[in-house]
Amino acid sequence: SAVISQKPSRDICQRGTSLTIQCQVDSQVTMMFWYRQQPGQSLTLIATANQGSEATYESGFVIDKFPISRPNLTFSTLTVSNMSPEDSSIYLCSVSKTGEIEKLFFGSGTQLSVL
Amino acid sequence: DAKTTQPPSMDCAEGRAANLPCNHSTISGNEYVYWYRQIHSQGPQYIIHGLKNNETNEMASLIITEDRKSSTLILPHATLRDTAVYYCIVRATGNTPLVFGKGTRLSVIA
Repeated sequence: SAVISQKPSRDICQRGTSLTIQCQVDSQVTMMFWYRQQPGQSLTLIATANQGSEATYESGFVIDKFPISRPNLTFSTLTVSNMSPEDSSIYLCSVSKTGEIEKLFFGSGTQLSVL
Repeated sequence: DAKTTQPPSMDCAEGRAANLPCNHSTISGNEYVYWYRQIHSQGPQYIIHGLKNNETNEMASLIITEDRKSSTLILPHATLRDTAVYYCIVRATGNTPLVFGKGTRLSVIA
């Protein structure tokens, strides 16, 4: 398995501000993904974090709102910009490990509440 | 959109086998069937996956019908710690993300 560390684990933010979530993996991974889980709902894919290039966003998600960086093979950040209460969700990082690409591993998530 | 259909909820008595069904009638030849579960306040956890043969590991068994249009995840001796939402997902192997449906909420009852 892969050890995935997400920071912060939770935060309470004011509307109009931005929060950057970090995802650090203990070994090199091939793919990194960011998901959102709204209260009581299933997981929705936000984007694929590509190393050294712009992330690939799913329909309904845009770079201006959710900028993503992935400077190397083990680290990525997701920023939630200009937050509103509708952004209150759990944000999860997911990775596929080099040599074990058939499985995806998930971090424990960042619980975000926007007031 | 998710390509699978699962019952929204199921109950199972502790110590009994939990059999979770999944329909994936539009599955393609190169797509695998994956099962994940999400225990409250945690990220999803990989359970098992298969293409067409039945699979077994230390957590569960996966039974896939011959036509591959449906499958069943079997937890042989359910415990209270198996209470979770179980997701059945079809996915082509390789560097593709998982697309989650609504899953089945399994409650294991003492």
